[in-house]
Amino acid sequence: AQKITQTQPGMFVQEKEAVTLDCTYDTSDQSYGLFWYKQPSSGEMIFLIYQGSYDEQNATEGRYSLNFQKARKSANLVISASQLGDSAMYFCAMRDFYNNNDMRFGAGTRLTVKP
Amino acid sequence: DTEVTQTPKHLVMGMTNKKSLKCEQHMGHRAMYWYKQKAKKPPELMFVYSYEKLSINESVPSRFSPECPNSSLLNLHLHALQPEDSALYLCASSQVWMGVNQPQHFGDGTRLSIL
Repeated sequence: AQKITQTQPGMFVQEKEAVTLDCTYDTSDQSYGLFWYKQPSSGEMIFLIYQGSYDEQNATEGRYSLNFQKARKSANLVISASQLGDSAMYFCAMRDFYNNNDMRFGAGTRLTVKP
Repeated sequence: DTEVTQTPKHLVMGMTNKKSLKCEQHMGHRAMYWYKQKAKKPPELMFVYSYEKLSINESVPSRFSPECPNSSLLNLHLHALQPEDSALYLCASSQVWMGVNQPQHFGDGTRLSIL
């Protein structure tokens, strides 16, 4: 069964430092997509970055990059130069054909950026 | 600003009331979704509409009734809700439903409280 695991319920990082949020996944499909979302306390789910299972290079979007290790089935989010506005809940998610393309989410990691 | 607009942002209703949640997107997306999110939990899929037709109903109680009047609008009609239905209700859209590379774009959500 498809499963997304985020083992860090909470993380702290100093402003301007980099932080890595962990995500591992399990699927029997060869074709799948991995996504990261940010959810501030206001509630909106903000799409950050996407990585396809066949992509050979790690995805990057501004200060966000995805450390994709396919053999280990991990898709860690790296946020560089943390800002106070990065404090939020972060969800890792996956879509695969096995689950009708449904977006399945991990439990989330709450990131707090300290000034 | 999100490109998926949800109204109202907050809703308080009694268990005998009838109300509706509304969602609108103008990105030309042909798939729309309703999610329910309890505090400190990831979103849970409720319904999927693809090309204005209900494609997925994740065993949601009949007191929740979705409707897709056209490709831009999605409603969730509420009737005789229970206190445990209090949650954040998120609407999302994607270009199409089937496709592991399709990110979903979310609205700000409606915070629903049942008295």
